[in-house]
Amino acid sequence: AQTVTQSQPEMSVQEAETVTLSCTYDTSESDYYLFWYKQPPSRQMILVIRQEAYKQQNATENRFSVNFQKAAKSFSLKISDSQLGDAAMYFCAYRRTMTGNQFYFGTGTSLTVIP
Amino acid sequence: NAGVTQTPKFQVLKTGQSMTLQCAQDMNHNSMYWYRQDPGMGLRLIYYSASEGTTDKGEVPNGYNVSRLNKREFSLRLESAAPSQTSVYFCASSSILRETQYFGPGTRLLVL
Repeated sequence: AQTVTQSQPEMSVQEAETVTLSCTYDTSESDYYLFWYKQPPSRQMILVIRQEAYKQQNATENRFSVNFQKAAKSFSLKISDSQLGDAAMYFCAYRRTMTGNQFYFGTGTSLTVIP
Repeated sequence: NAGVTQTPKFQVLKTGQSMTLQCAQDMNHNSMYWYRQDPGMGLRLIYYSASEGTTDKGEVPNGYNVSRLNKREFSLRLESAAPSQTSVYFCASSSILRETQYFGPGTRLLVL
């Protein structure tokens, strides 16, 4: 079974600074997708960024970027120039590309942004 | 384009009562999902529907039933609610081609 581990239950960052959230996963598959979701206090889950395992280039979305290390099964999220609106719970997720359609989520990292 | 909608937003039940959580999406997605979120546990998959007419169990299906009414709607039913089912429930949908899930706003359920 696939597992996703987020070892940092809580993180904090000064406004305008950079923070990195960690995620590791366990799989025997060679092709899959990885995601970072943001959940603000409103509780709605918002997609931040996605990465296809077959792509060597790390995905970026404005201030958000990932460090994807396939051999190490590591998928960290870097938030640059942190803003107060970045404060939220962040979830790492894994999805196989084969049939089953199941997503596997980590337990989340709560990010606090300090003014 | 409302995305994924869920009703109700909040519900209080007594032990043994039944209720149905409704979910609808207007993005023409094939797949739909029900998750529950508990503190320290992250999101756990209850049931999912890969396509209209099919449903499959996820990680924590006991105590729940689902119905994929049509391509747009996927409901979750609690036949006899228990306090252990107190949680926040999220519905999500995805297109196989895009591999990305879109979530609804969640339903907070309290079982007394």
